Order: sequence, then structure tokens, then C-alpha cells
Amino acid sequence: GEEVAQTPKHLVRGEGQKAKLYCAPIKGHSYVFWYQQVLKNEFKFLISFQNENVFDETGMPKERFSAKCLPNSPCSLEIQATKLEDSAVYFCASSPGPKGSNYGYTFGSGTRLTVV
Amino acid sequence: GESVGLHLPTLSVQEGDNSIINCAYSNSASDYFIWYKQESGKGPQFIIDIRSNMDKRQGQRVTVLLNKTVKHLSLQIAATQPGDSAVYFCAENKAGTYKYIFGTGTRLKVLA
Repeated sequence: GEEVAQTPKHLVRGEGQKAKLYCAPIKGHSYVFWYQQVLKNEFKFLISFQNENVFDETGMPKERFSAKCLPNSPCSLEIQATKLEDSAVYFCASSPGPKGSNYGYTFGSGTRLTVV
Repeated sequence: GESVGLHLPTLSVQEGDNSIINCAYSNSASDYFIWYKQESGKGPQFIIDIRSNMDKRQGQRVTVLLNKTVKHLSLQIAATQPGDSAVYFCAENKAGTYKYIFGTGTRLKVLA
């Protein structure tokens, strides 16, 4: 399709529980990016993929966060043992190239994670 | 409704007036810049981009100006409409890297 599909839209987890977020990139886009937006303001880069390979993971908190993009499956971002500070909106974006297309990345609508 | 902690700079303009949103970017090595619009409950949406070898680029009702000397980017919206109400972010990309650094957003409120 022509949109980046993120599921679920909302996710509530108790502290210490696992959270798993999904992203289906636009068909034909080889690059997938995950960003975390806290308090509707600051965007923090987490990780990017080129197809199923990690492209840049310099933003990932290594201890509890992991991500995958497997062939023929939505990409996923998993947080083990969630903490209150993980509460944020997680955006996935895709693009045909590493710097974006002529129109930058295409972002999904995000998954709002609330840790209680 | 909006969540707490939204201490975003806010620009209020009358409908029909021009808007200017400013952004100070962080890295003198950045060579590509994008302005994004984010409406409530949605992801950022591309508005216009500019490369560092240019100082001005125009789109439909929007103009981006780049001043590399002072690392400043601005977005001008002509004849602002109610549908322009949103949070606007600038994003920079450093040459040789493939991630974007987003600036602090600015909330644009269009008054009827």
C-alpha cells in the first residue's frame, strides 16, 4: 500500500511488562526507521533497517529494546520490561533510499505506548 | 485532547496572514533539511525540503530559507489557512549519515 501501517494505535502496559509494536512499510521501500516522540515534541532516532539488515542502531537503548525486519512480515520494535520513561509515541517511517525519497520519509501514524 | 508537557513555542496568526516559523539547526555539516507538519494524532508529513547548496526554495504557498552562516532555517507560509494549524518541525541530515535530527517543534495556531 501507499501508507506506512503501524499497529496497534494505542498500547497500555504495566511497568515491567513487554511491549511489541509493528510496522508495515510501503511496498517497495527498502529502508525502515523507528523514532520515539516524547511529550509530542522531541523526536529521538532509535534504529534503521535496510531490508532485514540493521542499518544504524546508534539510538537504541541496548538493554531492553530490540527490533527486527524479517522478510514477508511487518517490522517490529519490542521493549522488554517496560519502564515509565518508555511512555511515548513510537513512529515508524519508510523510504526507498537511506536519506528518503524526494519527499523525505513517509511516516506512519504512530503507536502510543503508555506504561502505568 | 493534547497531553501534558506541551511547552512548545506557539505562533498565532490571523487567517489570511503570512506565517514565519524559525528553526536553529545544530550541525554545520548538515547538508539536507526538511520541514515537517504534524497534526494531532498523526505522523509528521513532508512539506518542503532544501539542500545546503541552495538558500531558498519555493513550493505551493510555502517557502524555505536557509542561512548556513548562522545555521538558521525558516518556513514561510503564505495566506495561512485554518488547515495549516499544526506543529511544525525542521529536520536536518548530516552529510554521510542516514538519520534525521529533529528540531523543537513550533505550534502554529490560525485564528479565524
